Amino acid sequence: KNEVEQSPQNLTAQEGEFITINCSYSVGISALHWLQQHPGGGIVSLFMLSSGKKKHGRLIATINIQEKHSSLHITASHPRDSAVYICAAVSGAQKLVFGQGTRLTINP
Amino acid sequence: NAGVTQTPKFQVLKTGQSMTLQCAQDMNHNSMYWYRQDPGMGLRLIYYSASEGTTDKGEVPNGYNVSRLNKREFSLRLESAAPSQTSVYFCASSERSGGYGYTFGSGTRLTVV
Repeated sequence: KNEVEQSPQNLTAQEGEFITINCSYSVGISALHWLQQHPGGGIVSLFMLSSGKKKHGRLIATINIQEKHSSLHITASHPRDSAVYICAAVSGAQKLVFGQGTRLTINP
Repeated sequence: NAGVTQTPKFQVLKTGQSMTLQCAQDMNHNSMYWYRQDPGMGLRLIYYSASEGTTDKGEVPNGYNVSRLNKREFSLRLESAAPSQTSVYFCASSERSGGYGYTFGSGTRLTVV
């Protein structure tokens, strides 16, 4: 079993829908990253959070340390949100442990 | 624009050839990392450098060597390429260990035939 599990692995939705991607982890962490990887391959850090909730535009990330769970929400989804979303747990002094990624497709 | 610059973007090698992937960042970050990304495997850490002058093995270091040339530059060397090293390689940097200000390079797609 992976230390960081994401669900779903694939998600297809219609433009405008509210999107939720989940991340559960089994290791002790100091923080968690949400990353976005577009079809061209580049990876961008969306959030780094260690507690509570962060919001940037239509993206919201939450984390519950006690339940070892984080979610990434996208409101009013748009085709340009289509990408792979990756959560990565900061475990130990140096180590990022990555989930497998969730491939999101938003259809117009 | 500030960021992490990786070269080359694409490379095809024959088995047994050697090559060096270059990475440079201009954000004055202390920590730098090399990852590989394979289908179904996610990102895996090859080597990292917590600060200038230090390097440590990650999850999959076999077949690779690294050099932290200075604070800006962190190179990854394949001494004798193998088909199993066909992958997409990403360099990343952060302000300090643990990932504050985590920034990725654009990746190098390497094929070993």
